[in-house]
This record gives sequence, structure tokens and C-alpha cells, in this order.
Amino acid sequence: GESVGLHLPTLSVQEGDNSIINCAYSNSASDYFIWYKQESGKGPQFIIDIRSNMDKRQGQRVTVLLNKTVKHLSLQIAATQPGDSAVYFCAERGASYGKLTFGQGTILTVHP
Amino acid sequence: DAGVIQSPRHEVTEMGQEVTLRCKPISGHNSLFWYRQTMMRGLELLIYFNNNVPIDDSGMPEDRFSAKMPNASFSTLKIQPSEPRDSAVYFCASSLWAGRALEQFFGPGTRLTVL
Repeated sequence: GESVGLHLPTLSVQEGDNSIINCAYSNSASDYFIWYKQESGKGPQFIIDIRSNMDKRQGQRVTVLLNKTVKHLSLQIAATQPGDSAVYFCAERGASYGKLTFGQGTILTVHP
Repeated sequence: DAGVIQSPRHEVTEMGQEVTLRCKPISGHNSLFWYRQTMMRGLELLIYFNNNVPIDDSGMPEDRFSAKMPNASFSTLKIQPSEPRDSAVYFCASSLWAGRALEQFFGPGTRLTVL
């Protein structure tokens, strides 16, 4: 029979455009958030993190925004490149110090 | 820096067989995590260790799964007996526990297929 799997959100952009990937988290007690990038056949790779006492953090071409009021996290990628094509995961850390809970992921496709 | 090393990269086995996955964390890291990734359930934490001691194994599916960390540079995840529903990509990750574990570095994963 047909298998049922996660239906990942997808985002398709043109090279050079800015991309915004969104994530809703569940635990209001979470104090630390990370964005990971996973390319096909590879393990997740750290992009940027943010603590709950901040609402914005910038890296190289990436910005993470945190809105604790609505439990929303976003990743902005400036001047998106074909090499940015991947699945992007947000992760949150709650009460258990070492444990990260990952979101389902968003597929980003960048067209040349 | 070699990063997290996992072996084998691919494993194909038959139902009922024992499977052992191996992980070498980044040198100096004292926390180690085992994850499973499937299309059905996404990325799930199975178990994690701090200073070689299991801290949280609530994600281990059932008694067929066991994990050990005999020393700071090696961990195994064993499935005995394996079943087709165990087919997945298994990732190992490590981090430096500086009061609270922060960024986790992932290995390349082991793709397990149980026939």
C-alpha cells in the first residue's frame, strides 16, 4: 500500500532572492534554538543559534528571528545561492539540558 | 578535525539479524547523541550520554535497541533482532557539555536497510 510520510513544507526561490523559512515551536519553556541545514546524503549541519533572551541574531548571510509571544522562529537567508538548496530544521531545547527536539523540516530549492 | 565518524555508512541485513552501528565523537566532546531519521517520523532522539553515562534513553523504541559508551571516544547502537521497520538513517552527534549542551555536531549517518 501507499506509505504515508511527513509532508515537508517547500520553498522554491530564484538565485539571488532572499529566503525566509519559518518554524513554530511547541514548548514555551524552551531556552535555546538552533537552525540546521541538511543536504542530501549528509548529516545536519549547524547554521546559527539563538538564546531565548534574544529576539534576533545575525550571521553571515543568515539571520534568525525569535518571537516568544507566538512561539515562532524564522531563518532568513540573504542572496540565496544554489548551494543553499537543502532541508532546513529548527530545533529547540527544553527542560532536559542536552535534548534537542527537531521540527519536521522545510525543503528549500534554489533555481539558478 | 575529523568530525564525528560513523561506521558503517550503509548496512543491509535480513530481519532477525543483529546490527551494530558505531560512532566516534569529536575529540574533547563529552556528550554523545544517537538519532534516527525516517520519512514517517523525521529526526528523533533515541538516547544521549554525558561523560559516558546514559542520561536520557526515553526515545529508545523498545528492548531490541541498546546503546553503550564504554569510553569517551566510542559508542555503539545495537539492534537485536532487527526488523524491517528499523530501516532508517541513524545519526550520531556530539557536543561539548559546558554546563548545558549546546551545538551538536552530526556525523554522516548510517543508512540501515532491514529486508
